[in-house]
Amino acid sequence: GAGVSQSPSNKVTEKGKDVELRCDPISGHTALYWYRQSLGQGLEFLIYFQGNSAPDKSGLPSDRFSAERTGGSVSTLTIQRTQQEDSAVYLCASSPAGGTYNEQFFGPGTRLTVL
Amino acid sequence: TQLLEQSPQFLSIQEGENLTVYCNSSSVFSSLQWYRQEPGEGPVLLVTVVTGGEVKKLKRLTFQFGDARKDSSLHITAAQPGDTGLYLCAGARGSNYKLTFGKGTLLTVNP
Repeated sequence: GAGVSQSPSNKVTEKGKDVELRCDPISGHTALYWYRQSLGQGLEFLIYFQGNSAPDKSGLPSDRFSAERTGGSVSTLTIQRTQQEDSAVYLCASSPAGGTYNEQFFGPGTRLTVL
Repeated sequence: TQLLEQSPQFLSIQEGENLTVYCNSSSVFSSLQWYRQEPGEGPVLLVTVVTGGEVKKLKRLTFQFGDARKDSSLHITAAQPGDTGLYLCAGARGSNYKLTFGKGTLLTVNP
């Protein structure tokens, strides 16, 4: 079946502009994660959605970052007033319900460049 | 604080050579996953190890979980250019949904 998809694949924006990144998880997966991957820094957890539960937003670096998940499926990560330090690859992952070891399936990512 | 240390950070070898990369922590994990990430793609899960001392083989790749479940290694036999990529380890604790990722080992296998 289809894997996790993300759009756009690349986004170049100017400092101060808002951007929206989209994630379509694998159908039926109830858990959805957003990560940020910067060069040499590994994967940084941003936010976690599980079903209808309140999301875990503990990884969001500032109040300029927000995310929502509509209908338990598609998720959008919004970055307001982008800064150059926001430049990174933003990865989305999903996991099935009942997964024992929290194994995650990743999308290809959105490469964000803030000029 | 980097809870999972991966070494080496970079590794460049010739096709046919063997190699081992390491994932170490001072913390205990209930399970540990290895992912491979190719340029322009997201990480892809290779294996999950859950029992101390466990060894799993995936073709030419051998994964081992330390007895104390604090460390893991990945050994590749007769590396091929197709093995090139960023190898990430990620640890899970109990039912906690968060994974702790290492920074990865960037492997280049030259033909």
